[in-house]
Amino acid sequence: AQKVTQAQTEISVVEKEDVTLDCVYETRDTTYYLFWYKQPPSGELVFLIRRNSFDEQNEISGRYSWNFQKSTSSFNFTITASQVVDSAVYFCALSVHSGYSTLTFGKGTMLLVSP
Amino acid sequence: DADVTQTPRNRITKTGKRIMLECSQTKGHDRMYWYRQDPGLGLRLIYYSFDVKDINKGEISDGYSVSRQAQAKFSLSLESAIPNQTALYFCATSDKQGGGNQPQHFGDGTRLSIL
Repeated sequence: AQKVTQAQTEISVVEKEDVTLDCVYETRDTTYYLFWYKQPPSGELVFLIRRNSFDEQNEISGRYSWNFQKSTSSFNFTITASQVVDSAVYFCALSVHSGYSTLTFGKGTMLLVSP
Repeated sequence: DADVTQTPRNRITKTGKRIMLECSQTKGHDRMYWYRQDPGLGLRLIYYSFDVKDINKGEISDGYSVSRQAQAKFSLSLESAIPNQTALYFCATSDKQGGGNQPQHFGDGTRLSIL
């Protein structure tokens, strides 16, 4: 069975601070996929990134970056120079490579960025 | 127009009533899912369907049933609603290619309150 742990339930920062959201996963499968989703106050779920288990290269997209480390089973998400619009709940999720794979979500981290 | 449409967006009803939540999609995806979100618990999978003739129970299927009427439509029913089914419900879809590496695309959610 798969498991995703987001130990930080809530983080508060002031605008322009950098913030890192932690994600630790468990799986026995050697091929798997990791995802991050954003849920802004309006409630919809927005897909941010997917990473497969064979690609440990870090990824940067604007102010967002992701650090994947298989050695520690972590897939952390950093927002640089945070903005009020980054305030949301962020979910990390995991699926494995199989015909019947589904997503296992962490419980989410609520990020509050104040001006 | 949204690719994944959930109706209704909000519903208030009484204990014991039968309720149907509907989901339709224009993405052409074979796979569809129903989740519920409760504060602090993340998203939990209720049912999923990998094609029209394939229905599977998720983590928390008790008290729920589903119907896959067509590739584009997937309905969730609460036969006799109870207050602890009050939650935010999401429908999602994904492409079948890749065995688990495809991101899921979510509807805007249905906020259900059972009094």
